[in-house]
Amino acid sequence: SAVISQKPSRDICQRGTSLTIQCQVDSQVTMMFWYRQQPGQSLTLIATANQGSEATYESGFVIDKFPISRPNLTFSTLTVSNMSPEDSSIYLCSVEGSGTNYNEQFFGPGTRLTVL
Amino acid sequence: DAKTTQPPSMDCAEGRAANLPCNHSTISGNEYVYWYRQIHSQGPQYIIHGLKNNETNEMASLIITEDRKSSTLILPHATLRDTAVYYCIVRENSGGSNYKLTFGKGTLLTVNP
Repeated sequence: SAVISQKPSRDICQRGTSLTIQCQVDSQVTMMFWYRQQPGQSLTLIATANQGSEATYESGFVIDKFPISRPNLTFSTLTVSNMSPEDSSIYLCSVEGSGTNYNEQFFGPGTRLTVL
Repeated sequence: DAKTTQPPSMDCAEGRAANLPCNHSTISGNEYVYWYRQIHSQGPQYIIHGLKNNETNEMASLIITEDRKSSTLILPHATLRDTAVYYCIVRENSGGSNYKLTFGKGTLLTVNP
């Protein structure tokens, strides 16, 4: 299994600012995913990030608002830009497993963001 | 949109079996049934998956009907720590964009003492 950590675990930010969330994996993985979970809601995929290529965004999410970096096979960042209160959510990264865990996705603990 | 339908909530007594149903009537032949759960304030956790045969692991059993239009996740001896939202997801395993997990609203299972 993959162990995933995220920083920060939570933050409170002012409207109009940006926050960069880090995701670190303890093993090399090809695909990383970023999800958003709005209060009381289920998870929604924001984008898929492969190392060495541009992230692929889902409908309703754009690179200018959620720029993603994937500099190597164990790390990725998601930036929430020009934040508004509607961006208050939990942001989670996940990775696809490998080997015997090939068909599983492993999730980080999430970053709880509150925008005032 | 999620391709599954689940009851919004269920209760179960501690020590008893919890049977969580899921309808996936539009599932295609190459789609698997996956179950994840999310304990409060944590990221989702993989439980089990299957194609058409029943599956069992250390966490749970998955029973898939012969026509594959529905399935049941069974926690044989529920504990208080099994209280969580359980998500039933259908997904292909062929890679590319099919890695995407589309989460529905899930079932909130509450295990009572």
